Amino acid sequence: AQSVTQPDIHITVSEGASLELRCNYSYGATPYLFWYVQSPGQGLQLLLKYFSGDTLVQGIKGFEAEFKRSQSSFNLRKPSVHWSDAAEYFCAVGSFGNEKLTFGTGTRLTIIP
Amino acid sequence: GAVVSQHPSWVICKSGTSVKIECRSLDFQATTMFWYRQFPKQSLMLMATSNEGSKATYEQGVEKDKFLINHASLTLSTLTVTSAHPEDSSFYICSGRSSYEQYFGPGTRLTVT
Repeated sequence: AQSVTQPDIHITVSEGASLELRCNYSYGATPYLFWYVQSPGQGLQLLLKYFSGDTLVQGIKGFEAEFKRSQSSFNLRKPSVHWSDAAEYFCAVGSFGNEKLTFGTGTRLTIIP
Repeated sequence: GAVVSQHPSWVICKSGTSVKIECRSLDFQATTMFWYRQFPKQSLMLMATSNEGSKATYEQGVEKDKFLINHASLTLSTLTVTSAHPEDSSFYICSGRSSYEQYFGPGTRLTVT
């Protein structure tokens, strides 16, 4: 069975500082990996995805993520955070032929001035 | 593109009544839609997978007679919570699948009094 672990429940960073959110997955086949962001009381917005090819993927809002097969990781990064980045971030895994997504427990990001 | 809407965005109902939530794909056809439930400060829990023109597939532990799902067209799926109780209060999110991606609706906040 596929699973996703986001080890950090809550992260606080200063505005302008760099950010890295961790995501580790467990899946037997080649995974499809996603990062979503959720603002309070809202649905999920796709930040970026990895299906194949270049292991460093660029997303919206200045985010990027790197797929590392050897570490079973897909960490999300941003070089300089903005106050508007404060939200809940979810990593998810799926695969070709498996329609379902498995979500991690999420990481809440707080930005301080 | 790939916009999913939900209606209503929030609803309050009395215990014992039923409430219907609509999920629409506005600019694409979704042969598959998913229904999730999210408790406060928690991740998304997949409730069921809805395929157009066929019966929904429910996840283990989800009562199919309580959470009725209908996917009558390629752009509309509905979730009916029957005989609602306070423990059914939650945030319900739907998504539509298109090309290995899921596009999420903004969610429906259900409060049962």
